[in-house]
Amino acid sequence: DAGVIQSPRHEVTEMGQEVTLRCKPISGHNSLFWYRQTMMRGLELLIYFNNNVPIDDSGMPEDRFSAKMPNASFSTLKIQPSEPRDSAVYFCASSSGQLSYNEQFFGPGTRLTVL
Amino acid sequence: AQRVTQPEKLLSVFKGAPVELKCNYSYSGSPELFWYVQYSRQRLQLLLRHISRESIKGFTADLNKGETSFHLKKPFAQEEDSAMYYCALFSNAGKSTFGDGTTLTVKP
Repeated sequence: DAGVIQSPRHEVTEMGQEVTLRCKPISGHNSLFWYRQTMMRGLELLIYFNNNVPIDDSGMPEDRFSAKMPNASFSTLKIQPSEPRDSAVYFCASSSGQLSYNEQFFGPGTRLTVL
Repeated sequence: AQRVTQPEKLLSVFKGAPVELKCNYSYSGSPELFWYVQYSRQRLQLLLRHISRESIKGFTADLNKGETSFHLKKPFAQEEDSAMYYCALFSNAGKSTFGDGTTLTVKP
């Protein structure tokens, strides 16, 4: 298994453009998490899904951010319109079984730069 | 609300010296606590979890509910321990909260 797959690995865009980040969780995992990592704020949970259903999106910074999980093997995080302060590394992670007990497996991250 | 505090952003020790990475948490329920590690150019990965009470790579962490702490310790640091360490708390509902991380540098 290749683990959690994220694409693209790097994204450079201009302010105002739409950005879509993609994640493929580990096969058989039923929970998926999106995180944002910055120097100032560390690793922040944005949203997480269980069995494709969003459970908690309280970490999503504002309406410009949206996430979907149309099926068990794919999720997207969209920013529209993007702003320079959105520049960060975005991680996707997946886990199986009971949420609070199980290890999360992280993807390699997408480094987003908004000019 | 749940919160995790790692008071040290940077920690530097010499090889062979003891190391302790501090973690304090705030949570009204019964927490599940973890330490994750990110080595250079590698993915963030689980190091250990309090429920397992295990020692991984010589690291241990004890949950102290009275002091609401989950400090990570190793008696003799090695150069390969240099990495970014995150303390994490998972709620009963599965919500995860990570600390800001501590960058550990072990000098030769």
